Amino acid sequence: QKEVEQDPGPLSVPEGAIVSLNCTYSNSAFQYFMWYRQYSRKGPELLMYTYSSGNKEDGRFTAQVDKSSKYISLFIRDSQPSDSATYLCAMTRGVTGGGNKLTFGTGTQLKVEL
Amino acid sequence: NAGVTQTPKFQVLKTGQSMTLQCAQDMNHNSMYWYRQDPGMGLRLIYYSASEGTTDKGEVPNGYNVSRLNKREFSLRLESAAPSQTSVYFCASSANLRGGTDTQYFGPGTRLTVL
Repeated sequence: QKEVEQDPGPLSVPEGAIVSLNCTYSNSAFQYFMWYRQYSRKGPELLMYTYSSGNKEDGRFTAQVDKSSKYISLFIRDSQPSDSATYLCAMTRGVTGGGNKLTFGTGTQLKVEL
Repeated sequence: NAGVTQTPKFQVLKTGQSMTLQCAQDMNHNSMYWYRQDPGMGLRLIYYSASEGTTDKGEVPNGYNVSRLNKREFSLRLESAAPSQTSVYFCASSANLRGGTDTQYFGPGTRLTVL
């Protein structure tokens, strides 16, 4: 069993829809939870991060963490064609002297259609 | 400010050939990382360097070597390429400051095909 599980999709939605992307994890030591966005043939870029449980909002994007269920979500409101990308969740225990190793999900491919 | 740069962008090798992938960052970051990305497997850590002068194995280090040349540069070497090493390789860097999260910034990737 992988430490982080993510539905690979693809997920296709109409423009303006609310999108829900999710990951589950098994390691209770994870404290920081991130969402990266990766456009086709590009490197991943950080979209949002959340510390411990709770919600964080940034414009049309909301990240939620439920540590009791080991479940994280990314919601995209009023989705746009420019949101079409692969979304990767990532998590870590935090920075230690030995570097900060992230554990990634496999990514969910999202397509927002006109 | 270019961020993280990688060379080359594309490479085709024959089985048994060797090559070095180059990575440089201009953000004065302490830590650097090499990942490979394969369909259905996500990003997997090959090697990382927490700080200048140190390197450590990640999840999938076999068949690779690394060198942290200085604070800016971190190279990945394939000594004898195999078809199983066909992948997209990403370099990343982060500040690695104690006490919090640590955003990793990724380069544009190198697409490697081993025939």
